[in-house]
Amino acid sequence: EPEVTQTPSHQVTQMGQEVILRCVPISNHLYFYWYRQILGQKVEFLVSFYNNEISEKSEIFDDQFSVERPDGSNFTLKIRSTKLEDSAMYFCASSPYWTEAFFGQGTRLTVV
Amino acid sequence: DAKTTQPPSMDCAEGRAANLPCNHSTISGNEYVYWYRQIHSQGPQYIIHGLKNNETNEMASLIITEDRKSSTLILPHATLRDTAVYYCIVRVDDKIIFGKGTRLHILP
Repeated sequence: EPEVTQTPSHQVTQMGQEVILRCVPISNHLYFYWYRQILGQKVEFLVSFYNNEISEKSEIFDDQFSVERPDGSNFTLKIRSTKLEDSAMYFCASSPYWTEAFFGQGTRLTVV
Repeated sequence: DAKTTQPPSMDCAEGRAANLPCNHSTISGNEYVYWYRQIHSQGPQYIIHGLKNNETNEMASLIITEDRKSSTLILPHATLRDTAVYYCIVRVDDKIIFGKGTRLHILP
């Protein structure tokens, strides 16, 4: 069964460093998403991406964040200068249409 | 913010049907109801969705009231592996907004 793949599973970075989280969505899906979940809190929407551009973003998704689909398979989330409060699980998701989304297993980002 | 209201937690005996309620009294005519679950810290898992008709798949059944103001997710024979947080979501635009969900405990 096709699945969304995220790498790495765990990333430790120093405060102020740039980090790139990678995702391989399900082939032929058209909509892509990033979410985050701070430990013990709810899953929060960051950004949605369709037709090679951001379709919607939340207040959390400020200038420190960017997304890119550099080729036909990868979808990345970049955080330019990480802060301690960026520590969280980051989930990538994809969907074939404006319907059910399938999530990856997440990348645990720890900023020290 | 989420447009749904769910009980914070529920218990269900293993092997019994788990019925998880959800209120969405402000739902619009073209908005779908989606259910997801999150087992421990894994990625959310899609379960089922519907507009106004009842739906069933291999995981669960979704019962939507005629006025569409509430719905119930039914897991017909709950197992210990169904212990998770279950999210009822009214989809707005092209994003899925998660609320706090219902923490379902399956009791052996």
